[in-house]
Amino acid sequence: AQKVTQAQTEISVVEKEDVTLDCVYETRDTTYYLFWYKQPPSGELVFLIRRNSFDEQNEISGRYSWNFQKSTSSFNFTITASQVVDSAVYFCALSDPTGNQFYFGTGTSLTVIP
Amino acid sequence: GAGVSQSPSNKVTEKGKDVELRCDPISGHTALYWYRQSLGQGLEFLIYFQGNSAPDKSGLPSDRFSAERTGGSVSTLTIQRTQQEDSAVYLCASSAWTSGEETQYFGPGTRLLVL
Repeated sequence: AQKVTQAQTEISVVEKEDVTLDCVYETRDTTYYLFWYKQPPSGELVFLIRRNSFDEQNEISGRYSWNFQKSTSSFNFTITASQVVDSAVYFCALSDPTGNQFYFGTGTSLTVIP
Repeated sequence: GAGVSQSPSNKVTEKGKDVELRCDPISGHTALYWYRQSLGQGLEFLIYFQGNSAPDKSGLPSDRFSAERTGGSVSTLTIQRTQQEDSAVYLCASSAWTSGEETQYFGPGTRLLVL
């Protein structure tokens, strides 16, 4: 079965703390893509990253970093030195290589307290 | 504008009516996605177009849903005989490829309420 699990429903952190959002996936495919999206209170979805299953290198973009581990089927997202503007719901997703099958996690609501 | 646009932004309809939702992708983007987000079901993938072609329609919730894309640009999502469970925000995204990497851009969504 294809499935994405985000076990953390809600997280609250104090500004400047680091926070890691967990994502665990299940797939039958040997090739697949993993995604993270941000949905701020305004509601519009923002694409953050797409990672190919063949590329297990960690990715860093400013205060954001992603840790992809095929051995544990996880694609975790870390925000360093969190800011109030990071408050949002974050979704992890999985797609097959064709893009025709796409599965979202249930999202993690992050609140950064000033 | 330069972003993905969707119309209408809000739509209220009566159960049993047909609705048509429109997505204008960013010019030049060949890939186009439809998703929906509802309180009960979370985020769901509906359909993906590469150019005008959508080879896999299995993500559409029922045969009341159809989607088309013409000229590799505008896409319409049609829901026939709407039901209350169709109430959701319908999101469209288009994507571009740069150096082998895809980046998706989302529209603001169409909020559909079926009474």
